[in-house]
Amino acid sequence: DSGVTQTPKHLITATGQRVTLRCSPRSGDLSVYWYQQSLDQGLQFLIQYYNGEERAKGNILERFSAQQFPDLHSELNLSSLELGDSALYFCASSVGGMVVSDTQYFGPGTRLTVL
Amino acid sequence: EDQVTQSPEALRLQEGESSSLNCSYTVSGLRGLFWYRQDPGKGPEFLFTLYSAGEEKEKERLKATLTKKESFLHITAPKPEDSATYLCAVPGGTSYGKLTFGQGTILTVHP
Repeated sequence: DSGVTQTPKHLITATGQRVTLRCSPRSGDLSVYWYQQSLDQGLQFLIQYYNGEERAKGNILERFSAQQFPDLHSELNLSSLELGDSALYFCASSVGGMVVSDTQYFGPGTRLTVL
Repeated sequence: EDQVTQSPEALRLQEGESSSLNCSYTVSGLRGLFWYRQDPGKGPEFLFTLYSAGEEKEKERLKATLTKKESFLHITAPKPEDSATYLCAVPGGTSYGKLTFGQGTILTVHP
């Protein structure tokens, strides 16, 4: 158990809908990262927040957005869902976020299925 | 752009048969290389971080090594419970948080 929690574990929804994925980092960690894992793309970095502020952005679609709250939990919002958004979404956390070699600890993931 | 390539894509071993997994990388200034283990449907589990060429780290039956162009994950006398996908990743050059992952090696150890 990494100490990172994610809810829900599974999410089934329809195209065009909007969903919110939630992540709580390990105690004491200030950075939260979001990754998408699909069969054909592997693990892809989406976005990082450090202590409430956006720190780094990957190939995140405009339909996707995230935020980190004062209690450091984070939410990833996915809207206008398409079939291709079906994937595993992972949250990771690290102590800092200013040092590139910070170890990232991953949560158990949310499996999103878009029908 | 950072690139990470892992080989082989899949590896089938008999219990006790030692082998190595490869991770080659192209980055502008290596700031660490990470190894993770991932079981099906689960989140990646951190194994090792290597920072400089020549560095080695060990954990039970696993040993990770690093050169200037690649890293190896050596598995000694594997057991069926070592079956998993092994991922390596490097931090982004200008993006502090981004980890670029390889596609992984699926290891299956038969009893």
